[in-house]
Amino acid sequence: GENVEQHPSTLSVQEGDSAVIKCTYSDSASNYFPWYKQELGKGPQLIIDIRSNVGEKKDQRIAVTLNKTAKHFSLHITETQPEDSAVYFCAARGTGNQFYFGTGTSLTVIP
Amino acid sequence: DTGVSQDPRHKITKRGQNVTFRCDPISEHNRLYWYRQTLGQGPEFLTYFQNEAQLEKSRLLSDRFSAERPKGSFSTLEIQRTEQGDSAMYLCASSYFLTEGEKLFFGSGTQLSVL
Repeated sequence: GENVEQHPSTLSVQEGDSAVIKCTYSDSASNYFPWYKQELGKGPQLIIDIRSNVGEKKDQRIAVTLNKTAKHFSLHITETQPEDSAVYFCAARGTGNQFYFGTGTSLTVIP
Repeated sequence: DTGVSQDPRHKITKRGQNVTFRCDPISEHNRLYWYRQTLGQGPEFLTYFQNEAQLEKSRLLSDRFSAERPKGSFSTLEIQRTEQGDSAMYLCASSYFLTEGEKLFFGSGTQLSVL
């Protein structure tokens, strides 16, 4: 099955700086890559996603890039704010229609 | 539409007891997923339904676990003879599947503690 690795596990940035979280996947047939934000006591919330036929997608301060050849994708958050502090998960959907999740990155934005 | 709803939010039980969780998906979503999440880990797939049919089950889902989705609407996940290792957050997600893709939307989860 698919194996998704995520780095770093923790990330601290100053407010206003950028944050980058990286993920790699193993199944070259995976074709859909969502990112989720999870706050304490809540379920994961979809924040952005990208399909395998697209290299980059942007939504305001959030962007995702995908390199199919290298099998990695990244989340970029610019102009970080304290409310961006949360755990972020990447995921990949493989051929079996299952979603495989990374182990999460705990982001802390320091005011 | 208020999103995916899960009940209860928290459940404390003694080892050996049975527990049942309920999930109400976003209306008109045809797929419903169950995931398990432990501290510091990402969600792990357990099983999913398309309408009322259970299409896939993870090897993580032992015979003590059973899930149903009668009439293709809400779903229940039952754990029989609970063990301490079952303590986790149980997440439900729903989606509207199209051949070109789907977006998963999660509920807030049921936190299970087995004493």
